[in-house]
Amino acid sequence: DQQVKQNSPSLSVQEGRISILNCDYTNSMFDYFLWYKKYPAEGPTFLISISSIKDKNEDGRFTVFLNKSAKHLSLHIVPSQPGDSAVYFCAASGGFKTIFGAGTRLFVKA
Amino acid sequence: NAGVTQTPKFRVLKTGQSMTLLCAQDMNHEYMYWYRQDPGMGLRLIHYSVGEGTTAKGEVPDGYNVSRLKKQNFLLGLESAAPSQTSVYFCASSYGSGVKGETQYFGPGTRLLVL
Repeated sequence: DQQVKQNSPSLSVQEGRISILNCDYTNSMFDYFLWYKKYPAEGPTFLISISSIKDKNEDGRFTVFLNKSAKHLSLHIVPSQPGDSAVYFCAASGGFKTIFGAGTRLFVKA
Repeated sequence: NAGVTQTPKFRVLKTGQSMTLLCAQDMNHEYMYWYRQDPGMGLRLIHYSVGEGTTAKGEVPDGYNVSRLKKQNFLLGLESAAPSQTSVYFCASSYGSGVKGETQYFGPGTRLLVL
């Protein structure tokens, strides 16, 4: 039973345009939602998070939106840059557990 | 400040062999985790520890054992390796459990191939 789902295995975007990565979850008890970024041959690194009591959090080019009624969150990257090409993992934490989605591979074309 | 380090980076085992993966962190974190990453499966938690001397099972613990004898080290053991354990293994640490949004810091990974 996948509690955190990233239904798009990959996404391709032109440099300068917006990248939108989506994530769905099933458990209403999660307290925080996080996005991690992973380059090849490296471990994931934290990118941005949002508390379950908020609906938006922004950090530079990265914005995360949370829609609790739909149990859906999204990561917006504007403008996208070639260096953003990586795998992005959505994660949800609560009850002393953090559960990760399967990841979405983002390709930003120059 | 090295963060989280993992040893070895890559290993090839034959079915039935044993090995230990070592994880070390220098951030004085209480919580440590072992994950495996497989294509299309994301990061799945194998075992975790909430402090020195403690361990607990995660989502996929079968075939693995762990020990946390020192706060900075978390060892993952495979007693009898199987081809299904071919994967990339990541260690992570955090200062909190995640209930307040504490992030995890990951090591670079260990690529294991079991023939």
